[in-house]
Amino acid sequence: AQKITQTQPGMFVQEKEAVTLDCTYDTSDPSYGLFWYKQPSSGEMIFLIYQGSYDQQNATEGRYSLNFQKARKSANLVISASQLGDSAMYFCAMREGLGGGGATNKLIFGTGTLLAVQP
Amino acid sequence: GAGVSQSPSNKVTEKGKDVELRCDPISGHTALYWYRQSLGQGLEFLIYFQGNSAPDKSGLPSDRFSAERTGGSVSTLTIQRTQQEDSAVYLCASSLDGSETQYFGPGTRLLVL
Repeated sequence: AQKITQTQPGMFVQEKEAVTLDCTYDTSDPSYGLFWYKQPSSGEMIFLIYQGSYDQQNATEGRYSLNFQKARKSANLVISASQLGDSAMYFCAMREGLGGGGATNKLIFGTGTLLAVQP
Repeated sequence: GAGVSQSPSNKVTEKGKDVELRCDPISGHTALYWYRQSLGQGLEFLIYFQGNSAPDKSGLPSDRFSAERTGGSVSTLTIQRTQQEDSAVYLCASSLDGSETQYFGPGTRLLVL
C-alpha cells in the first residue's frame, strides 16, 4: 500500500542556512508523483515543488530543490538560505499513477515536519 | 487569478445538526478534491471529482458524508447528523485536470459541540 513517511516531527534551522526535510515513500506503482506543500500557521496549503517518477533531473523551484533518490524511495526537500518566513509545517505527498481521467488522483500525505527558522 | 475559495471559514455547530461546506475551485479547473485535516488522523482524502462525476469517493468516512458538484464548478460537502469526531479542518483543492498539481483553498474549520 502507498505510504509517505516523514520522520522529523520538528526541526530548527538558523536564518540563512540550508535545511533538509526528509521524506520516504512506498509504492508498487512505477508511475507516481511526489509533492511538497507548506502550511503556515494561517492554515492554507501552499504548493512548493513537484517531482515525477520518470523525471531524469531533480526538481528545483527558486530556493527549493528536491533530492530525489528513486532507488532509496526518498524525496527530501532542501531549502537553501532559510528565511524567517519559512517557519511552517511542511508536508510531503504522493499521487500514484500519472493521473487524469477516471483514475484516483488522491494525494497521500505524510505527518509533516514543523520547521522553525531562528534569527 | 483568484485561487480556491471556501466558505464558511469557520463553522460551529451542535452535535446532530447538518452542515454544508462550499468550495469554489480555480476557474477552468476540471478536477476538485476534498480532504480533511485533524489532529488524530492527519490529512485524509475524502472525495475526488472530475467534472460533475466522482470517480473516487473511497475516503468518505460514513454515509453521513456526501458531496456534489454542479456545473463543473462549485462543490458542496454535506455532513448530516454531525458528531464531535467530525471536528476538523476541511480542505478543498482543485487542479487543471487529474494529472496536474492540486492547489488548496484556505479550509473550513468545523467545530462540533
